[in-house]
Amino acid sequence: SQKIEQNSEALNIQEGKTATLTCNYTNYSPAYLQWYRQDPGRGPVFLLLIRENEKEKRKERLKVTFDTTLKQSLFHITASQPADSATYLCALANTGGFKTIFGAGTRLFVKA
Amino acid sequence: DTAVSQTPKYLVTQMGNDKSIKCEQNLGHDTMYWYKQDSKKFLKIMFSYNNKELIINETVPNRFSPKSPDKAHLNLHINSLELGDSAVYFCASSPQGLGPDTQYFGPGTRLTVL
Repeated sequence: SQKIEQNSEALNIQEGKTATLTCNYTNYSPAYLQWYRQDPGRGPVFLLLIRENEKEKRKERLKVTFDTTLKQSLFHITASQPADSATYLCALANTGGFKTIFGAGTRLFVKA
Repeated sequence: DTAVSQTPKYLVTQMGNDKSIKCEQNLGHDTMYWYKQDSKKFLKIMFSYNNKELIINETVPNRFSPKSPDKAHLNLHINSLELGDSAVYFCASSPQGLGPDTQYFGPGTRLTVL
């Protein structure tokens, strides 16, 4: 069955450092991969999308890589800030898909 | 302005009751979704609707019945509530289900079944 794995343990880093979150998947060939941010008590908020034919995508302090051979995506937050503390969800979907599969998320804590 | 809204935000009820959760989006999107997020934080899709038509039903028990009176609304009615139904339910919308559309989520409804 399709499976998405994200770091189950929380990630603790110091302010100013780069946070790197991992998303691995199996039994799936997604057309695109998305990253969402979720704060406690709120719905997920879209951050970045990368297509299967793209290797890397950037947006301000965020960078996403997508390796379809390794079936892995890395999500980087550079110059991290305490306000970046949240849960980050990886999501996969196919073209023509009304169905997006989400990972359980990785909790990030950025200490001042 | 709220893009995707849900009511109520909290819902506490007894086993066996019937309850509804309402969702509205003012983004003009064609596609709407219901997700369930359990205690392990997995966000699992339940239903997808496109232009008021059911597209995806992820083997959800038939106690759950979505209703889309128009493109802007997708309500979720749950009959004979069970303890295992306790979770946070999120409504979402996207411009269309075809292609890499990002989804806009509502604030969630925390359902507690006692």
